[in-house]
Amino acid sequence: GIQVEQSPPDLILQEGANSTLRCNFSDSVNNLQWFHQNPWGQLINLFYIPSGTKQNGRLSATTVATERYSLLYISSSQTTDSGVYFCAVNSGNTPLVFGKGTRLSVIA
Amino acid sequence: NAGVMQNPRHLVRRRGQEARLRCSPMKGHSHVYWYRQLPEEGLKFMVYLQKENIIDESGMPKERFSAEFPKEGPSILRIQQVVRGDSAAYFCASSPGANVLTFGAGSRLTVL
Repeated sequence: GIQVEQSPPDLILQEGANSTLRCNFSDSVNNLQWFHQNPWGQLINLFYIPSGTKQNGRLSATTVATERYSLLYISSSQTTDSGVYFCAVNSGNTPLVFGKGTRLSVIA
Repeated sequence: NAGVMQNPRHLVRRRGQEARLRCSPMKGHSHVYWYRQLPEEGLKFMVYLQKENIIDESGMPKERFSAEFPKEGPSILRIQQVVRGDSAAYFCASSPGANVLTFGAGSRLTVL
């Protein structure tokens, strides 16, 4: 099945810093989503981005489908950005497959 | 639109008991997915259902676990004779079609 690798596994940032999270996947996909799991365990849908670039406030994402990777950019990070960021992909009618996540800690 | 509703949010069971987790999809969504998250790990697919049908159960353990999505009412994930290894967060997601999934807040099962 499709493999998803996320990097880095852990990241510590000073408040106000920028960061880039990466998601590599092993096969062509027709769905790619980024999620944020907050410290209370809730999964928040950030982007549906099988290709191209999207922006939402301080967050933006770019997927280069032909090269099988996606990037999530966080600018001017805040403590509320802390948590785990997951990338998940699927192709055809296969189930959404999650990476292991990037654990982000933003310190004041 | 209330989103994907899961209950209970927290459930404690003793070994050997049954656990039932419920999921009401978003209005207009007919596709339901169940995922399990073990501590410090990512989410693993368990089962994909549409109304009254199991579409893909390739991630479900062969024994003790079952899922249904009846014509009326919520989807149910049932775990019989729970063991400590079943302790996890169980997430339900729904979608209007095969793509964008919206997740509920999860149900956290603790087996004593």
